[in-house]
Parts: sequence; C-alpha cells; structure tokens
Amino acid sequence: DVKVTQSSRYLVKRTGEKVFLECVQDMDHENMFWYRQDPGLGLRLIYFSYDVKMKEKGDIPEGYSVSREKKERFSLILESASTNQTSMYLCASSLGTSGTRADTQYFGPGTRLTVL
Amino acid sequence: AQSVTQLDSQVPVFEEAPVELRCNYSSSVSVYLFWYVQYPNQGLQLLLKYLSGSTLVKGINGFEAEFNKSQTSFHLRKPSVHISDTAEYFCAVSRGGDMRFGAGTRLTVKP
Repeated sequence: DVKVTQSSRYLVKRTGEKVFLECVQDMDHENMFWYRQDPGLGLRLIYFSYDVKMKEKGDIPEGYSVSREKKERFSLILESASTNQTSMYLCASSLGTSGTRADTQYFGPGTRLTVL
Repeated sequence: AQSVTQLDSQVPVFEEAPVELRCNYSSSVSVYLFWYVQYPNQGLQLLLKYLSGSTLVKGINGFEAEFNKSQTSFHLRKPSVHISDTAEYFCAVSRGGDMRFGAGTRLTVKP
C-alpha cells in the first residue's frame, strides 16, 4: 500500500512564525502536491513538484513556498504565518508515468493548522 | 480552464436508500474524471475513475459513476447506502498534470 505521512495532525502557531509542514511518501512517486482544504471551497492546489528540486505554482501559492530536496519528501513552508492561513493542509503523491494526468493521487491524513 | 461543480453541498439519506451525488465539469478538451471519498479525520482516497471506454465505472464499496459527455456530468450512485458511507465526497477533473476538485458533498446516512 502507498503510504503518505504528514509530520503533524494538529499544529498551533502564532502570527508571524515560520511554519514547516513535512510530507513523506514511501512508493517512489515522481509527483507530489500540497493542497489546502477549506469548507465550501474543496481542495485548492498550492504547489506541486514533478521531480526533485523542481516546483510549480498551483492556484494559490501566495504566502507559501516549497522544498523538495529528496524524492520522497516535500515540504510546505509558511514564511510568516497569518490568520488567513488557518486551514487543513493535505499532501498527495502520484506515480508520474507518461500517463500522468490519469494518475491516482494518494493523500496523507492532513495537518490542521491554526494560526492565532 | 476546467472547473468542477458539485451540485449539492449536503445530502442526507436514510440507511439502505439509494443515493446520487451530482457532479458537472466544464472543459473544452477531453478529461479524466475521479471521485474521492474523505472519511472523518482522514485524507482522501480514490473511489473510482473514468479514463476511457465504458461510460459506467464501478468503484469500491459498491459505488458506481456514469460519464455523460453530452451533459458533461459524472454522477456518483449507490443503490443502497450504509451508515459507514457517511463521509465527504469529492469529484475531480484532470487534464494536464494537475487535478481540479469540486467543493465536496457531505453525505450523511441516518439509521
């Protein structure tokens, strides 16, 4: 079974703090994704990565950055957390074959971040 | 651009009743379509996906969905639901390397 793990289930931070959310997958997947999930808005893509050291902006990258130094690990960074970044953050990975757009995405359990 | 509309934000239903969760998409090119389920306090997991071929797709836990190109719909159905089907369901569309999700439908199955 594919396993995607996220470093924390719940996190509480203060405004202005730098926040790191870590994601690790164990199936040698090429692609990794970060989403935020908000009620009534579904999942919105923040950033994704097709390969080590490569990153692409999603729909809502403002206020976020990412790092992918190793294939299995994809980190989301909030440089200066703000209250409007309080949300559920979901990491996902997919195989990344030539049929990438048909790939199933496998999700971690999510990190519920509260910024006070 | 592609987008996904889930027509119902909440669907309450009694146990053993049939259910349909509606999804419409907009795209000017061919797409791949997915339904994911999120149980409480968990991440999303794949229920089923349509890539090509038969328009009726069967998934896990007795769910199925029908792709209708003319109506740009991909509705999810189950003939008889269980309490354990209570969850949030997301329709998603993939065209390029990324995926677009609908806002979700919360299915609540009552005893």
